[in-house]
Amino acid sequence: DAGITQSPRHKVTETGTPVTLRCHQTENHRYMYWYRQDPGHGLRLIHYSYGVKDTDKGEVSDGYSVSRSKTEDFLLTLESATSSQTSVYFCAISDYWMNTEAFFGQGTRLTVV
Amino acid sequence: AQSVAQPEDQVNVAEGNPLTVKCTYSVSGNPYLFWYVQYPNRGLQFLLKYITGDNLVKGSYGFEAEFNKSQTSFHLKKPSALVSDSALYFCAVRDKGDDKIIFGKGTRLHILP
Repeated sequence: DAGITQSPRHKVTETGTPVTLRCHQTENHRYMYWYRQDPGHGLRLIHYSYGVKDTDKGEVSDGYSVSRSKTEDFLLTLESATSSQTSVYFCAISDYWMNTEAFFGQGTRLTVV
Repeated sequence: AQSVAQPEDQVNVAEGNPLTVKCTYSVSGNPYLFWYVQYPNRGLQFLLKYITGDNLVKGSYGFEAEFNKSQTSFHLKKPSALVSDSALYFCAVRDKGDDKIIFGKGTRLHILP
């Protein structure tokens, strides 16, 4: 299995509070992604990174920001959490070549109350 | 922008029968196509991919997929279904030259004993 660790695995937070989710990889892969999974919507891309300090928006980026200061770490921040951001968040990584598949972490279940 | 459609939310198949899970895609260029499987409370696991060459791609657990450029489809197939194949299946696409990997909404496969 690819070395991807998401933390925390579960979190309950209150509306309006900031939340940061961490994705850590030990594979030295170039690309890192954050997705959210919701019933009826499948997996939707939030933000992605194609290198250190190189990030871009995905399909549903409003209300989220990301940072990648090191190859191995990709942080997803909810600046002010809302109930609509209750979801399961997955991090994925893929190697330099675009034809390589992505490998997924185990997910973080976030509940905003 | 690339997109993926999985027209069936759920597919029911009797054990031992062949199964097909449908996927169609839209890209501006040439696609890289992927299938993933998700078991309950788990991350996504890679099954197979189409990069180039032979239109019939074989993957893990006896699954295969057929790339059809004229129909922009990449259907997942298996000759004989097992109860253990019951899971959520995702199709994904990456446009060559684009960093994003876009997923469909998923199809829940139920294999009936």
